[in-house]
Amino acid sequence: DQQVKQNSPSLSVQEGRISILNCDYTNSMFDYFLWYKKYPAEGPTFLISISSIKDKNEDGRFTVFLNKSAKHLSLHIVPSQPGDSAVYFCAASAWEKLVFGQGTRLTINP
Amino acid sequence: SQTIHQWPATLVQPVGSPLSLECTVEGTSNPNLYWYRQAAGRGLQLLFYSVGIGQISSEVPQNLSASRPQDRQFILSSKKLLLSDSGFYLCAWSVNSNEKLFFGSGTQLSVL
Repeated sequence: DQQVKQNSPSLSVQEGRISILNCDYTNSMFDYFLWYKKYPAEGPTFLISISSIKDKNEDGRFTVFLNKSAKHLSLHIVPSQPGDSAVYFCAASAWEKLVFGQGTRLTINP
Repeated sequence: SQTIHQWPATLVQPVGSPLSLECTVEGTSNPNLYWYRQAAGRGLQLLFYSVGIGQISSEVPQNLSASRPQDRQFILSSKKLLLSDSGFYLCAWSVNSNEKLFFGSGTQLSVL
């Protein structure tokens, strides 16, 4: 049972444009959501998070939106830069653990 | 500052051989500790987590086991590796439950 889903395995965006990564979840008990960025052969690094009491959180070029009624969150990166090319994982938190999505590979084209 | 060490970085093991991956955390006390696996082309799957010494919770039935002999040490083991155990193994820690995780650099395990 995949409780957190990233339905797009890959996304290609032109440098300077906006990248939008999407994530859906099924468990209404999740109360904290996070995005991680992962380069090959490295551990994921934390990017940005949002509590379920908010619908938006912004940090520089990164903004996370949460739509609780739709059980959907998204990560916006603007403007996209070549260094943003990586795999992005969304994660949802409940009880004592995080549940991760399958990841979306973002490629920023020059 | 807190740091997490995970080794080895890469490992090639024959089928049926044992496994021991070690993870240690420095600069914090009583962390929550986690083992994740990323199989080829797949997401991060939680294997084990621990909220204290000797307390291990298993998420999925598998050929692996975990132990926490000390507060900041987390070990992933297997008595006999299977081909399907190949993957990228990640150790992580958090201060409290439901907080962001800090990951180690990972171990790429290839079982041949």
